Amino acid sequence: DVVMTQSPLSLPVALGQPASISCRSSQSLVHSDGNTYLNWIQQRPGQSPRPLIHKVSTRDSGVPDRFSGSGSGTDFTLRISRVEAEDVGVYYCTQGTHWPPTFGQGTRLEIK
Amino acid sequence: EVQLVESGGGLVQPGESLRLSCAASGFTFNDSWMSWVRQAPGKGLEWVGNIGEDGSERYYVDSVRGRFTISRDNTKNSLYLQMNSLRGEDTAVYYCARGGTYYIISWGQGALVTVSS
Repeated sequence: DVVMTQSPLSLPVALGQPASISCRSSQSLVHSDGNTYLNWIQQRPGQSPRPLIHKVSTRDSGVPDRFSGSGSGTDFTLRISRVEAEDVGVYYCTQGTHWPPTFGQGTRLEIK
Repeated sequence: EVQLVESGGGLVQPGESLRLSCAASGFTFNDSWMSWVRQAPGKGLEWVGNIGEDGSERYYVDSVRGRFTISRDNTKNSLYLQMNSLRGEDTAVYYCARGGTYYIISWGQGALVTVSS
């Protein structure tokens, strides 16, 4: 299985400051169809997961533009330009290129 | 509005069976791959399996293959997860999700399954 490794696992950030989460995969996530199925999801406390970004950099419906994704191959980043209180929660990267889909360990974002 | 509502969770003993259901609305169900993903208490996310639009394709992770069966009824806009020979390590919140292997478009609220004697 493809191993997804996130860092940091804990991320204290002051309100209004930027945040960045790294995700690395044990294999290239470039699919034979040319797409890279690296996605990010957010899980707020006590809630179900919510899609944030799919295929590296495409924001899902209703996601604020302060969230952005980048990267290629095996190295990816989620950035939040200015953290707001509602961004508290756990962020997971996940790959859908190889079976089975796998998730990173999660990065817990908290307000400093 | 897309809605995915799971039901059927509960407490069962090891070795017993349980069937989860997911009622879908707000999108064209019979045009959508559907998936089940689980999350053990306080832990991360784990894929369980998925099913194609007409039910002819089904895929499972190794840990549940042979014990769990995913099915769907497109006439009822419903997805199911039949879980047999349950083990303690199957204790988790089970999420119904719209989408297949590539990425998930939307998630249900989850159903808690507890396997304990």
